[in-house]
Amino acid sequence: GQNIDQPTEMTATEGAIVQINCTYQTSGFNGLFWYQQHAGEAPTFLSYNVLDGLEEKGRFSSFLSRSKGYSYLLLKELQMKDSASYLCAVANAGKSTFGDGTTLTVKP
Amino acid sequence: DTAVSQTPKYLVTQMGNDKSIKCEQNLGHDTMYWYKQDSKKFLKIMFSYNNKELIINETVPNRFSPKSPDKAHLNLHINSLELGDSAVYFCASSLSTGSYNEQFFGPGTRLTVL
Repeated sequence: GQNIDQPTEMTATEGAIVQINCTYQTSGFNGLFWYQQHAGEAPTFLSYNVLDGLEEKGRFSSFLSRSKGYSYLLLKELQMKDSASYLCAVANAGKSTFGDGTTLTVKP
Repeated sequence: DTAVSQTPKYLVTQMGNDKSIKCEQNLGHDTMYWYKQDSKKFLKIMFSYNNKELIINETVPNRFSPKSPDKAHLNLHINSLELGDSAVYFCASSLSTGSYNEQFFGPGTRLTVL
């Protein structure tokens, strides 16, 4: 079976740093994606981790620990436009299973 | 040019009707998907096609029938619509079936069944 957990909601202040966690228990694992979805829009790709460690891409970084079934998305220097849902997705056998998403609200 | 496009963007219909949603991608990808996102924002895969062949069917009611006339198109036909079918339906594509391939999503079709 597949079980992917993320916090439902988070709030942070503009300019701050926020970490969105994702834990998973899945029957198979080929990698982990993070997607961003603004309200009323389609999800867009942020990052992909297949090996343990931190992948940095500008203000966004993603971390993976396969042994712990754990990933996080780190957003630095938060901007108002970062208010969105962040979806963690586990890839296995050509299929991505999505978590329920974390709705991040950035306040001034 | 839009990479993954869907029509219509909004669809409002009565229970019991039959409707179709169309999807096209111009990225040259081999693999296409249909997802359903309900009011709680849970994004769940329904189907996946690779080069016109069905490869994933996630226990979706057989009222839902996908059709892929070619690898650039994946349409979704829904028979006998029910209230619970109300959701946003996203089409997506990826280069191939490899798990490492990011997916590109269409803008979504908001289906409301009355």
